Amino acid sequence: GESVGLHLPTLSVQEGDNSIINCAYSNSASDYFIWYKQESGKGPQFIIDIRSNMDKRQGQRVTVLLNKTVKHLSLQIAATQPGDSAVYFCAEMGGGSNYKLTFGKGTLLTVNP
Amino acid sequence: SQTIHQWPATLVQPVGSPLSLECTVEGTSNPNLYWYRQAAGRGLQLLFYSVGIGQISSEVPQNLSASRPQDRQFILSSKKLLLSDSGFYLCAWSVGGPRGGGKTQYFGPGTRLLVL
Repeated sequence: GESVGLHLPTLSVQEGDNSIINCAYSNSASDYFIWYKQESGKGPQFIIDIRSNMDKRQGQRVTVLLNKTVKHLSLQIAATQPGDSAVYFCAEMGGGSNYKLTFGKGTLLTVNP
Repeated sequence: SQTIHQWPATLVQPVGSPLSLECTVEGTSNPNLYWYRQAAGRGLQLLFYSVGIGQISSEVPQNLSASRPQDRQFILSSKKLLLSDSGFYLCAWSVGGPRGGGKTQYFGPGTRLLVL
């Protein structure tokens, strides 16, 4: 069945470095992707989204890249800060459902001061 | 701006007891509403979603049920809790209406449920 997974379960970076979090998805019919940030004990917070008709989208300090050929999604965080420490989830939607988000398992990002 | 509330924030319940978790959304009309469960260290699993009052779609068959008595109120219930019902329950909303599909979902603060 459809699945969204992450290559790296944990990522540790130094403050000020750039971070790259990767995600693979298996449903080629997915047409909408979202990155969420979840801090301990809190609900997921929307970071950025991208539709399948785009391959790159930029936000404040974040960039999402979508490679439909290899079904790969990445989140780049520039100048990573301690406040960026959290679990990051990718989620996909589509393939016949406009309501169901399928989430990956998450990557724990730790920023060292 | 839109806000989403969940309560209680934490709950400890014995096995076999009933459950009622509430979610309300402010600042929007006719939202799509969702209930998710998150096991420790895991991703989110969609349990129910609703596109309107009284309209509930179930994604996972289990001893939980959902109801939407009002436009911006979504309730998750159980008649008898199981140990496996422990987890972090998250409510979410997205823009509704005829073109409400395929939209960003925004999450509430969650309810941590421990069944003993």
